Amino acid sequence: EPEVTQTPSHQVTQMGQEVILRCVPISNHLYFYWYRQILGQKVEFLVSFYNNEISEKSEIFDDQFSVERPDGSNFTLKIRSTKLEDSAMYFCASSDRDSSYNSPLHFGNGTRLTVT
Amino acid sequence: DAKTTQPNSMESNEEEPVHLPCNHSTISGTDYIHWYRQLPSQGPEYVIHGLTSNVNNRMASLAIAEDRKSSTLILHRATLRDAAVYYCILRENTGGFKTIFGAGTRLFVKA
Repeated sequence: EPEVTQTPSHQVTQMGQEVILRCVPISNHLYFYWYRQILGQKVEFLVSFYNNEISEKSEIFDDQFSVERPDGSNFTLKIRSTKLEDSAMYFCASSDRDSSYNSPLHFGNGTRLTVT
Repeated sequence: DAKTTQPNSMESNEEEPVHLPCNHSTISGTDYIHWYRQLPSQGPEYVIHGLTSNVNNRMASLAIAEDRKSSTLILHRATLRDAAVYYCILRENTGGFKTIFGAGTRLFVKA
């Protein structure tokens, strides 16, 4: 069964550094998402992306965050200047249609970001 | 997404059925009921969804109350691998691109 893959599985970075988290969504999917989960807390929506632009974003997704689909297969999340509070698991997800069709989201296993 | 209420945790014995409840008294007529689960150290995983009728798939069954104000996810025979956090989510059928997760129910399965 096709799956969403994320790399790296664990990223350690120093405060103030830029990080790029990478995702390869399922190949025929058109809708892409980033979520994060701080240790012990809920899974939080960050951003959705369709047709090469952001469809919706949360309050968490401020100017420090950006997303990109640089080619036909990758979907990336960039944090420009990391803060300690950015330490979390970051999950990428994709779906073949938007929520108006109630297509389920398929999630990767996440990248654990540790900011020191 | 409209609000759902789930117990914080539940416990089950291995090989026995598990009924995970969810209340959604403010559900609107076009909201779908989705269930996801999150195994330890993994991303959320889709389980099942439905609108009005009960639904079955290889993972679970979803029983929806007649007034749609509550639903129950049924795992027919719990295994140790089913220990996870289960999320009940309402998805609007009006477009929009986000799925909002609540705190969910943490299911413990005893051998």
